[in-house]
Amino acid sequence: DGGITQSPKYLFRKEGQNVTLSCEQNLNHDAMYWYRQDPGQGLRLIYYSQIVNDFQKGDIAEGYSVSREKKESFPLTVTSAQKNPTAFYLCASSPHSGRMNNEQFFGPGTRLTVL
Amino acid sequence: GDSVTQMEGPVTLSEEAFLTINCTYTATGYPSLFWYVQYPGEGLQLLLKATKADDKGSNKGFEATYRKETTSFHLEKGSVQVSDSAVYFCALHAGDTGNQFYFGTGTSLTVIP
Repeated sequence: DGGITQSPKYLFRKEGQNVTLSCEQNLNHDAMYWYRQDPGQGLRLIYYSQIVNDFQKGDIAEGYSVSREKKESFPLTVTSAQKNPTAFYLCASSPHSGRMNNEQFFGPGTRLTVL
Repeated sequence: GDSVTQMEGPVTLSEEAFLTINCTYTATGYPSLFWYVQYPGEGLQLLLKATKADDKGSNKGFEATYRKETTSFHLEKGSVQVSDSAVYFCALHAGDTGNQFYFGTGTSLTVIP
């Protein structure tokens, strides 16, 4: 089945450790996105990528890093510099870059808890 | 810049009641508009969309009409069910602004039997 997968579903890390969240899509979509969602709040954009080997900062990029070496993969690293990393992380993709009539498809999310 | 404002929740309704969740937008271009639904612990699922003025999106009994004159895209359903309990997000996409999508803060709906 075509779709977006995120792994793991639940992730625990100790304070001060870096951790990488996986996002893979087999939809052949050009653009991919990472959002953070805190309880009772909306989505905040961390990073997005419109094409392989290129990505842009979103509204809350500090303490995060990404790479886009392959079209289907867009991993997110939460570094120790992120002061409050406990949150629900959502990955999304959309078919085209910079064109109208786009829509986003979301993965199931990863819940990160810092102990 | 582009933005979406949607009705704050939480909203609690009895089964078979009428639902309206308000959404208004600000955009410099001609955006596409969306409603997404999120069930607990899951990602967002597209519920419906409209790509131009006066379009009506519909799915699973939900409807929303793209109103350019009032810059609105209100979500409605004539008779809600317990299974509709979820968080609903209004969103827009304008392809001429870097391919970003802009989301409202979400409205939590609880339907009681």
